[in-house]
Amino acid sequence: QSVLTQPPSVSGAPGQRVTISCTGSSSNIGAGYDVHWYQQLPGTAPKLLIYGNSNRPSGVPDRFSGSKSGTSASLAISGLQAEDEADYYCQSYDSSLSGSWVFGGGTKLTVL
Amino acid sequence: QITLKESGPTLVKPTQTLTLTCTFSGFSLSTSGVGVGWIRQPPGKALEWLALIYWDDDKRYSPSLKSRLTITKDTSKNQVVLTMTNMDPVDTATYYCAHYSGYTPNFDYWGQGTLVTVSS
Repeated sequence: QSVLTQPPSVSGAPGQRVTISCTGSSSNIGAGYDVHWYQQLPGTAPKLLIYGNSNRPSGVPDRFSGSKSGTSASLAISGLQAEDEADYYCQSYDSSLSGSWVFGGGTKLTVL
Repeated sequence: QITLKESGPTLVKPTQTLTLTCTFSGFSLSTSGVGVGWIRQPPGKALEWLALIYWDDDKRYSPSLKSRLTITKDTSKNQVVLTMTNMDPVDTATYYCAHYSGYTPNFDYWGQGTLVTVSS
């Protein structure tokens, strides 16, 4: 059971907009710790997609955006493309139990 | 550019100790704020953070695995080593090392990962 909760799957047609939620608690997201998002294409290592809740590293298209409110965060992908089909993970820091970095359970995005 | 690569055995027996090495380039582990972390991913499952070592040799471990993990660094060789004792089949996973940026605390560069299978 992951500390951060994500929906197992989401789907959308090309061109559509989808959102992926990441729900935490008062010891992680709700405590003010940043949320980061990673994209994992099939058979590859995760890649940083969004950092500090809403910032995109150089080279990440602006179709990807992130937000955070309270104990939750969201990743939005607009103008869906076939190449966006991947697993997406949120990550934050949790201050309980001496502190640890925590990931969500991952969300599989299917482009229909 | 920053690159990391994991190396170690692909197969270990139950109860054995796993030793993985992360060899990196493009940054120094003596630079303030920098760290290297280890994350694993069982086949078809989610990412799990294991350990992290900072530039000042501060070490952090996953609370659930702390008793089995040791992380060390060799700054001169640009290497970080993770050892995990008493391996079990449930530890079968792809193990990744990643560059940690303490100022935007995330894992911004990842190695390709190495699959470790635990089986007799």
